[in-house]
Amino acid sequence: AQSVTQLGSHVSVSEGALVLLRCNYSSSVPPYLFWYVQYPNQGLQLLLKYTSAATLVKGINGFEAEFKKSETSFHLTKPSAHMSDAAEYFCAVSEGGATNKLIFGTGTLLAVQP
Amino acid sequence: NAGVTQTPKFQVLKTGQSMTLQCAQDMNHEYMSWYRQDPGMGLRLIHYSVGAGITDQGEVPNGYNVSRSTTEDFPLRLLSAAPSQTSVYFCASQKGGRDTQYFGPGTRLTVL
Repeated sequence: AQSVTQLGSHVSVSEGALVLLRCNYSSSVPPYLFWYVQYPNQGLQLLLKYTSAATLVKGINGFEAEFKKSETSFHLTKPSAHMSDAAEYFCAVSEGGATNKLIFGTGTLLAVQP
Repeated sequence: NAGVTQTPKFQVLKTGQSMTLQCAQDMNHEYMSWYRQDPGMGLRLIHYSVGAGITDQGEVPNGYNVSRSTTEDFPLRLLSAAPSQTSVYFCASQKGGRDTQYFGPGTRLTVL
């Protein structure tokens, strides 16, 4: 069965610093992987997704993630944090097959300090 | 194009009461899902549907019922509310297969 592990439930960075949010997955089939962002009191918004094309995936708001099969990782990065990046970030893996049931990680709350 | 809409935004119930959370989408998506979000647990799938008339259980289905009579609507029914069902509920839809899921704004439910 697929699963997702997000290391670090809280991450704090300074404005302008590198953002690195970690995600490791377990999947018995080639995975589809997703990063979603949730701003306070809002629903989830797709940041980016990996669908077995390019291993480096670029998303919205300057975020990108690299699929590393050997490490079963899909870490999210952004070179320079902005105050508006403060939110909760969720990594998810698709079960595939006839449905697209998403298995979510437990989330990482990103704080950006001025 | 409103996307995925959910009503109500907030609800307080007493233990044993029943209610229906509404979800609608106007994107003609075949797939719809209900998740609950609890602190430190991410989102967990309650029920999902791959088309009108077809539903199936997710990870945490107990205490919830769904039906899908139209492509647009996917209501979630709480049969007899319990404090353990206090949570934020999200509805999502997708076109099909492994397409991107689009989420509604959520319903915050408190069961006393």
